[in-house]
Amino acid sequence: GAVVSQHPSWVICKSGTSVKIECRSLDFQATTMFWYRQFPKQSLMLMATSNEGSKATYEQGVEKDKFLINHASLTLSTLTVTSAHPEDSSFYICSVPGGGQVGSNQPQHFGDGTRLSIL
Amino acid sequence: KQEVTQIPAALSVPEGENLVLNCSFTDSAIYNLQWFRQDPGKGLTSLLLIQSSQREQTSGRLNASLDKSSGRSTLYIAASQPGDSATYLCAVRDGYNFNKFYFGSGTKLNVKP
Repeated sequence: GAVVSQHPSWVICKSGTSVKIECRSLDFQATTMFWYRQFPKQSLMLMATSNEGSKATYEQGVEKDKFLINHASLTLSTLTVTSAHPEDSSFYICSVPGGGQVGSNQPQHFGDGTRLSIL
Repeated sequence: KQEVTQIPAALSVPEGENLVLNCSFTDSAIYNLQWFRQDPGKGLTSLLLIQSSQREQTSGRLNASLDKSSGRSTLYIAASQPGDSATYLCAVRDGYNFNKFYFGSGTKLNVKP
């Protein structure tokens, strides 16, 4: 069964709307989760690392105020795209390190992704 | 910065063929390498994970090899089936910073019936 649950799977909304995406670790507690973005026909690019109980770590070029991350509990991380515009349209995927902890030898597990379309 | 390249970008083969997908990376300081499958509009499904100290991993018709010193990995698929059609991604986990995963751009595989 699924290890990571991501919701919603598809969002279509108007420009200027804020959109929240949830990522849940189903099988274990996760102190760390990752958020990726994938543009059409391109690979995954890490956006940020979500850390339970502390601030997220953003990759270079990713706007912190644009992409708000909240690691509310050991099983839930949320990504909020604030005031979304058409250029934010993309496929957003979260992942959880195997065993829920960075440094684990277990495979990384991915959610099914959220396709965000901004009109 | 680590760069991961996958060749070919696309591959079309008749059903039953054995095939090899290639992945190369520029920095050999990796923690592990993972192969994924991605179906259209979906997330990633882990296929095989090779630790940096390992040379290969096998699961069913899939075999992945790792040559860390030369920065290469291959995914071998035996007796391909139409259901194998998907995009295959390789990703390396940075050996210095476990938070860093670098993905290739993928190989889109089409297995024709």
